[in-house]
Amino acid sequence: SQTIHQWPATLVQPVGSPLSLECTVEGTSNPNLYWYRQAAGRGLQLLFYSVGIGQISSEVPQNLSASRPQDRQFILSSKKLLLSDSGFYLCAWSGNRDTEAFFGQGTRLTVV
Amino acid sequence: GESVGLHLPTLSVQEGDNSIINCAYSNSASDYFIWYKQESGKGPQFIIDIRSNMDKRQGQRVTVLLNKTVKHLSLQIAATQPGDSAVYFCAESGSSNTGKLIFGQGTTLQVKP
Repeated sequence: SQTIHQWPATLVQPVGSPLSLECTVEGTSNPNLYWYRQAAGRGLQLLFYSVGIGQISSEVPQNLSASRPQDRQFILSSKKLLLSDSGFYLCAWSGNRDTEAFFGQGTRLTVV
Repeated sequence: GESVGLHLPTLSVQEGDNSIINCAYSNSASDYFIWYKQESGKGPQFIIDIRSNMDKRQGQRVTVLLNKTVKHLSLQIAATQPGDSAVYFCAESGSSNTGKLIFGQGTTLQVKP
């Protein structure tokens, strides 16, 4: 069966520090991968998606970047965190178009 | 642009009653819709989905209704239980071919014992 792993679960980082969140998927090949951000009490905002290795599409301009060095690995990064980067970050995968996306457990990032 | 909205931010129901959560979408080209349940501090969990060639789909205690004429989606939960308390999101596939989903803002369901 397919599983998705996302870590760490919580992270407190100072302003200006770098960020690296990792997400890996097991049990499937060539998944579509997604990074979402969720502000408190709000819906999910799509940040990045990837349909293949090295293929990254950004949905909104921001202080973050994403990379997909391997088929089932998706990384969210920042060189210098801002206070506004605080939030709940969720990684997800799907098989192809018009199928459900499966989410990881999320990373609660607090920038102080 | 594409957007998905929810009619009410919070819904409070008595345990055992039926719950109905509504959602409006704007992209008439969307052909796939999903309902997710999110418990506090966790990632969203898939509940049920429906494709645009259907107007109703049933699962275990849940039913999704799709009205393409008015671009409206609803989730019905029968015999609501305390464990159903969570935030519920609708999502649509939009008009792209990437599989990405567009989420609504969520409705908080509170079940009173």
